[in-house]
This record gives sequence, structure tokens and C-alpha cells, in this order.
Amino acid sequence: GESVGLHLPTLSVQEGDNSIINCAYSNSASDYFIWYKQESGKGPQFIIDIRSNMDKRQGQRVTVLLNKTVKHLSLQIAATQPGDSAVYFCAETQGGAQKLVFGQGTRLTINP
Amino acid sequence: EAGVAQSPRYKIIEKRQSVAFWCNPISGHATLYWYQQILGQGPKLLIQFQNNGVVDDSQLPKDRFSAERLKGVDSTLKIQPAKLEDSAVYLCASSSPSAYGYTFGSGTRLTVV
Repeated sequence: GESVGLHLPTLSVQEGDNSIINCAYSNSASDYFIWYKQESGKGPQFIIDIRSNMDKRQGQRVTVLLNKTVKHLSLQIAATQPGDSAVYFCAETQGGAQKLVFGQGTRLTINP
Repeated sequence: EAGVAQSPRYKIIEKRQSVAFWCNPISGHATLYWYQQILGQGPKLLIQFQNNGVVDDSQLPKDRFSAERLKGVDSTLKIQPAKLEDSAVYLCASSSPSAYGYTFGSGTRLTVV
């Protein structure tokens, strides 16, 4: 079946550097995408979202890019901090019923 | 606003035993979800409620899993009998019709031995 997947399971960056986490999706009918951050022992926490009629959205230190042509989503985190260490998931809605389909996740480690 | 509350935080049971998890969503959120998150994987939807009605339970193993939301607020998820492969974190989330995106609880970590 169709699913959301991630290119890399782990990513290590130096504190202060920028990081990019990638996600590929396969359902061309998906119209809404969300990035979540999950710290150990906690539930996923909303970071930023983007609708399919947009190709870029910015938040505080985070930017999401959507390329519908190649069905690719990315999360850019600027000036990474130790608190950014976590697992990051992309998720998409399917069917318009607010049902989210999650990818496997990428573990981001910030090195001091 | 208060977040999504779940209990217990941890549970260890033997296989073939039964277990129940409880969730209290954010006040006013009509939609409630139960997700199963196996270690190293993304959450997988088990069941979705709209008020006290089931919207989607297509991935709920109904031979052993059951869930209810009798008054359209709190919800319970039950597993009976449990299997080793049920070891996972069970996440509850809620959302409102005015916005996309969920608010997740901290989850219940279940270990079946």
C-alpha cells in the first residue's frame, strides 16, 4: 500500500549547523503534511505543517519544503541546538478524514 | 490548555493476560485517535473516533483489541489476550474540527513478557 517513508534513519550534525531531514511520500492525493518531533518517552510534538497548494513554509528556525513533482518533503532546522536532538517524523493526511500516515522517522543527533 | 492525558505510563504483563489503557483528550476535541508505535517505527493508527462513533478501525486487530468512547470524551483501549508482538507504545491523540494536526499524549509503554 502507499506509505510515507524517509531517506535516512539517522543524522548527526554539529551544534550551530543547519540540518535537513528528508521524506518521500507516494500518495499523490495527499493534501496536507506535518512534521513531528518526538523526544524519548514523549508523544510526537507538532513542529510545522504545509498544505499541498504551497511549496514552502517557514516557522521559527524551521522551514518545510514541498516538491509535489517528485513527492518529496524536507524539514530544515537552522542553527541546531542540543534540544533539537530527537526523532523526526513526517506524516501525511489521506482521504480527507484527518487520518495521518507516519513515516519511519529520522533520529537527529546534535554534537557539541 | 491541558494536554492529552494517558494512563498508566508503563505496564508490564505476561502474554495471554489482558490490559487496558485510558485516555482523556483535550476539552472540546471531538476526534480521538489511538495509535500503536512499535520501537523504531512511526505511529500506526488503530482506531479513530468522532465523538462516540467509530470513524476508522480498519487496522485494529479486532480479535484481541477493543476500544470505546462511550460519552464522547474519555476513551479506553483494551487488549485481551495480549501477545508478545503487542509490546509497543500506545499513543492517544485528539483534534478539533477547526484545525488539522493532532495533540498527542505521552503514551503508555506496554511490555508483554
